[in-house]
Amino acid sequence: QKEVEQDPGPLSVPEGAIVSLNCTYSNSAFQYFMWYRQYSRKGPELLMYTYSSGNKEDGRFTAQVDKSSKYISLFIRDSQPSDSATYLCAMTEEYGNKLVFGAGTILRVKS
Amino acid sequence: DGGITQSPKYLFRKEGQNVTLSCEQNLNHDAMYWYRQDPGQGLRLIYYSQIVNDFQKGDIAEGYSVSREKKESFPLTVTSAQKNPTAFYLCASSPKRGGTSEQYFGPGTRLTVT
Repeated sequence: QKEVEQDPGPLSVPEGAIVSLNCTYSNSAFQYFMWYRQYSRKGPELLMYTYSSGNKEDGRFTAQVDKSSKYISLFIRDSQPSDSATYLCAMTEEYGNKLVFGAGTILRVKS
Repeated sequence: DGGITQSPKYLFRKEGQNVTLSCEQNLNHDAMYWYRQDPGQGLRLIYYSQIVNDFQKGDIAEGYSVSREKKESFPLTVTSAQKNPTAFYLCASSPKRGGTSEQYFGPGTRLTVT
C-alpha cells in the first residue's frame, strides 16, 4: 500500500463548477500538507501549504486537512479552463527531511 | 528575477554515456532536492542536500550522483549504471533545512536515453 493515495482521474468538470481533489494517507505522523499544480511538461507550482488540521483559504482555493481521518482535500471554486492541470498532494512529518507525494490527479475544466 | 533554473530543457543521450543535469537557484535557500517523475507516478526523491558539501540519498539514488560545492548549485549526474534513465527530472529548493518547509520547483529537464 502506498503511503499517500490519490485518484489519478482524469476528473472532467464544466467551467464554473466546484472541484474537490483528495488524498488519503497512512502515516499518522504527517503534520505538514501541501498542494501543487503542474501543467504539462512544467515543474510543479506550490498552491497551498498547511500545518496540522483545519482549513486554509486563498482566493478560489481552499485546503482542508482532517488528521483524524487521514484525509486532505483541495477545493477549487468557480473553476476555469486555466485550472486544467495535474494536482499533486505532498506531506511530511514534523521533523521530516523529505516530502511524500501522491501520484497526482488530472483535472480538465471544459469551457 | 528570483527562482530555480534547470538546463537544458530537453536532453538526448546514447546508452552508456553519463550526463549531468544543471540546477541553480538564486533564492538563498539552504536545501535542494532532485526528483524523478515518470508517467502516472508521483515524484520520487533521488538525492537531497541541506547544506553545502553535504548530501543524502533519497529513495532511488542508485545510478545517480550529486555534488553541492556551492549553496546555489546542485548538479545531478545520471550515470550509465542507471538502468532506466529516461524520465522528467525536477530540481527543488526550500528555505529551511528539513522537509517541514515548502519546496519550490524548477521547470524540469526531460532526459531521453536511446
